[in-house]
Amino acid sequence: NAGVMQNPRHLVRRRGQEARLRCSPMKGHSHVYWYRQLPEEGLKFMVYLQKENIIDESGMPKERFSAEFPKEGPSILRIQQVVRGDSAAYFCASSPPQDPRNQPQHFGDGTRLSIL
Amino acid sequence: KQEVTQIPAALSVPEGENLVLNCSFTDSAIYNLQWFRQDPGKGLTSLLLIQSSQREQTSGRLNASLDKSSGRSTLYIAASQPGDSATYLCAPEGSGSRLTFGEGTQLTVNP
Repeated sequence: NAGVMQNPRHLVRRRGQEARLRCSPMKGHSHVYWYRQLPEEGLKFMVYLQKENIIDESGMPKERFSAEFPKEGPSILRIQQVVRGDSAAYFCASSPPQDPRNQPQHFGDGTRLSIL
Repeated sequence: KQEVTQIPAALSVPEGENLVLNCSFTDSAIYNLQWFRQDPGKGLTSLLLIQSSQREQTSGRLNASLDKSSGRSTLYIAASQPGDSATYLCAPEGSGSRLTFGEGTQLTVNP
């Protein structure tokens, strides 16, 4: 089985542009999570989604960031008008449709976003 | 707010040693706790998941214990190998299915 697939692996944007990060969960998984790892810091939770629903977005910055997980297709993390401080590694994880509290989260290899 | 501390921050050992990585967390209201390894430039690989009702889990040379009431978990690695070199992360899962990560222990196993 393919694991969690994230693309692109590396993304370079200039300040003010938009960044779109994609995540395809493992086959059969219906829960998706996004985490961010800033330079020299630990991973921080951003958002938890199920198909067509945002379950918990309490870790998302209030402005410029949005996430979706449509009925068809990958989950998208969108960052508008990027700034230098958005430079980080963004990781996506997924878990099966069973009670997520009993299931491990499986991570992708991340997207490394660099802002010029 | 959950806070996770991992000790030591870095560890360098000769091949073959048994070692213990420590994790402490402030909020004991967790559903489970996962241990991961992260290789440079890579994502996280799940090593073990311990449910809140369990005391320990084993996988090969790895054994993880959980003392939920005191907010502690340990990862024991037996007969360490150079391929074990990585950053090890502890992450309790709390409400909303969110994982809270420590900053990790960077392990180097020298041949």
